Amino acid sequence: ETGVTQSPTHLIKTRGQQVTLRCSSQSGHNTVSWYQQALGQGPQFIFQYYREEENGRGNFPPRFSGLQFPNYSSELNVNALELDDSALYLCASSSRTSGRNEQFFGPGTRLTVL
Amino acid sequence: SQQGEEDPQALSIQEGENATMNCSYKTSINNLQWYRQNSGRGLVHLILIRSNEREKHSGRLRVTLDTSKKSSSLLITASRAADTASYFCATDRVGGGSQGNLIFGKGTKLSVKP
Repeated sequence: ETGVTQSPTHLIKTRGQQVTLRCSSQSGHNTVSWYQQALGQGPQFIFQYYREEENGRGNFPPRFSGLQFPNYSSELNVNALELDDSALYLCASSSRTSGRNEQFFGPGTRLTVL
Repeated sequence: SQQGEEDPQALSIQEGENATMNCSYKTSINNLQWYRQNSGRGLVHLILIRSNEREKHSGRLRVTLDTSKKSSSLLITASRAADTASYFCATDRVGGGSQGNLIFGKGTKLSVKP
């Protein structure tokens, strides 16, 4: 069984730039959720994708967008980067079929915005 | 917004001692999950307890849930230096299923000294 993977591991961008983060879900999982974790805080839900559509969204502006592909992998895109976007971005996969919303996380992408 | 609140914020114990962390939450839940995070890396899923369960065990972990008090506790017995990490509780809210988001607290930072 393959776990959740994310790329890249680290990324440095400047204000105003755009970034794309990638996530491959655990085998057998059809749902991907993205979270932002600022230093010293718990993860905050950004959005979730199921069947290639956004299935729910947290309190994040539209410049945070995503995609899910037929193989259930996903991308998180952030436009017009701001300094406060510096954080650890976590992807989690789960199986809608199980009904338990048990989410398994990848290692994260550390984004630094200068 | 954060639903869960862990306490204590930080806990320092000696190897071999037991560690107890608590989590309180605000709304009705489907289940509660505990995660471990080492040094700003990805979250490791430890255990899920459903709202109709009162206690669950997994190896050296024991989780309790009191839905009347909206609280949960995580007990790690016979702690090891490798247990040093931050521990988070995450709730899956009733009515939040279509959105799929887990709501995390700020975590308890556990330090186990050899």
